[in-house]
Amino acid sequence: NAGVTQTPKFRILKIGQSMTLQCAQDMNHNYMYWYRQDPGMGLKLIYYSVGAGITDKGEVPNGYNVSRSTTEDFPLRLELAAPSQTSVYFCASSYGVKSNQPQHFGDGTRLSIL
Amino acid sequence: DQQVKQNSPSLSVQEGRISILNCDYTNSMFDYFLWYKKYPAEGPTFLISISSIKDKNEDGRFTVFLNKSAKHLSLHIVPSQPGDSAVYFCAARGLSGGGADGLTFGKGTHLIIQP
Repeated sequence: NAGVTQTPKFRILKIGQSMTLQCAQDMNHNYMYWYRQDPGMGLKLIYYSVGAGITDKGEVPNGYNVSRSTTEDFPLRLELAAPSQTSVYFCASSYGVKSNQPQHFGDGTRLSIL
Repeated sequence: DQQVKQNSPSLSVQEGRISILNCDYTNSMFDYFLWYKKYPAEGPTFLISISSIKDKNEDGRFTVFLNKSAKHLSLHIVPSQPGDSAVYFCAARGLSGGGADGLTFGKGTHLIIQP
């Protein structure tokens, strides 16, 4: 029962570098989400997707890009890393709004930008 | 502007007693509320939820109460056990249809169960 799998678990980047955070789910969920959690704060929505080929912005999308080519995968791209993007990133998935089913989360990627 | 507020950063409760975690919200369009539990270095784990058409939902030791007029919900854990020590997040979902289905989270309450 893998659920939502995120890789890598930890990463240190230099300012200006780029990277992709990977997220995969095996529950056949239509909806997928990316959140970030800063110290002492709640999770904030970055981007979400309601199905393959469909993505949309959340509350804090600046500096990030996403794509959804398959139902299973939802990678998050940082193009020009900035110190403000130091955070813990969580990917989640769910069946969708009408099902009243909860979102299921991965264990996170801890990212430091130095 | 915080739409979901958890005003207690931490709460200490003796093992075997009741733990009550509180959450207030400001957006009357929220239609579904959830509680998540989080251990260090892990992702949030779903605990219990409640739809806005109900005022109570129970699952074993966990009960969530919703007071729509006060825009307040609470999570009761009875009896509290050492394994309940974690950070608890209150989250809310808006009426979105095809729009943003993401959750709005509070800042969390760190529950510590004392032996």
